[in-house]
Amino acid sequence: EVQLVESGGDLVKPGGSLRLSCAASGFTFSNAWMTWVRQAPGKGLEWVGRIKSKIDDESTDYAAPVRGRFIISRDDSKNTLYLQMNSLKTEDTGEYYCTTLSLKTPWLDYWGQGILVTVSS
Amino acid sequence: QTVVTQEPSLTVSPGGTVTLTCVSSAGAVTSGHYPSWFQQKPGQAPRSLVYSTSHKQPWTPARFSGSLLGGKAALTLSGVQPEDEAEYYCLLYFGGARVFGTGTKVTVL
Repeated sequence: EVQLVESGGDLVKPGGSLRLSCAASGFTFSNAWMTWVRQAPGKGLEWVGRIKSKIDDESTDYAAPVRGRFIISRDDSKNTLYLQMNSLKTEDTGEYYCTTLSLKTPWLDYWGQGILVTVSS
Repeated sequence: QTVVTQEPSLTVSPGGTVTLTCVSSAGAVTSGHYPSWFQQKPGQAPRSLVYSTSHKQPWTPARFSGSLLGGKAALTLSGVQPEDEAEYYCLLYFGGARVFGTGTKVTVL
């Protein structure tokens, strides 16, 4: 059974930093391109960024609102995906989902349960 | 950043047909944008319905179909069922980054 379990969500002040983790199991994580998606309270989905697999050079792409502040990384030895969030803004508040969403394997559709990040003073 | 716009809300009767569209501020939507469609119900994570314009997931009911219509991506629901009431999002690829649409709330009444 495929599982994606996010952790690390918290209340943080504007300008602060936070790192989310996503523990994956039930599939070959090292081959998967992984994506972070977020959703502000009562709002729509927002694509945050994606990391390719190591064999595909582990390159990353980010949405414009987070580019330069967020960093996606992975540790294939731990089957874990990360989202390092720096210089946090109130508009970064929301539910963050880890997902296998990608163009490489678009039929692969697994999502975590989501983790809440609140940025507030 | 490119804005992807959907109808805010649509209402359809059970058994009826409704078409949701997905428009890019950057111009016509093509197969090169790899349009995808997702369904989200309250309190749940999104779920993929259609990818690469018209390819369905194994769990996607036959009444859902994806297409390109007049420079837009489209999702048509034919023979709508009460359980189709949900929020629907399109997702487009822009050479690296991807952008979700603004979402369409479909009400079945």
